[in-house]
Amino acid sequence: AQSVTQPDIHITVSEGASLELRCNYSYGATPYLFWYVQSPGQGLQLLLKYFSGDTLVQGIKGFEAEFKRSQSSFNLRKPSVHWSDAAEYFCAVAGFGNEKLTFGTGTRLTIIP
Amino acid sequence: DSGVTQTPKHLITATGQRVTLRCSPRSGDLSVYWYQQSLDQGLQFLIQYYNGEERAKGNILERFSAQQFPDLHSELNLSSLELGDSALYFCASSSQLAGVGEQYFGPGTRLTVT
Repeated sequence: AQSVTQPDIHITVSEGASLELRCNYSYGATPYLFWYVQSPGQGLQLLLKYFSGDTLVQGIKGFEAEFKRSQSSFNLRKPSVHWSDAAEYFCAVAGFGNEKLTFGTGTRLTIIP
Repeated sequence: DSGVTQTPKHLITATGQRVTLRCSPRSGDLSVYWYQQSLDQGLQFLIQYYNGEERAKGNILERFSAQQFPDLHSELNLSSLELGDSALYFCASSSQLAGVGEQYFGPGTRLTVT
């Protein structure tokens, strides 16, 4: 069975500081990996996705993520956070022929001035 | 705006009642997914439809059912409601069946069961 672990429930960073949100996955075959963001009272928005190829993927809003098969990880990074990045971030996994998304428990990001 | 619409935005009802949540996918998307987001269970996949046919089932209770109509909109029916069914219900749509496509989420329907 596929699963996703986001070990950090809540992270606080200063505006302008760098960010890394951790994600570990479990999947028996080649995973399709996603990061979604949910702002308060909103639906989920896709930030970026990894299907194959280059293990460093770029997304919207200046985010990037690196797929490391040996570590079963897909960590999300941003070099300099903005106050508008405050939100809940979800890592998700799916597979070929199995399109349902399995989500992690989410990481809530707080930005302090 | 993802292009996925969900109605109603909020729904308050009593235990034992039945409600219907509606979703209109993005134009051209044939796949519709339903997810439930609650504090204790997190985000969970409920069910997927593709072009009117049930494609995959997740942690969907027997009291819940869904369908996708010829115009591709979908409805999620929740019956014999319990307090624990209070949650945010999301619909998402996707354009790919072969392989894995990106999913676009609607704003959700917040269901409160009292």
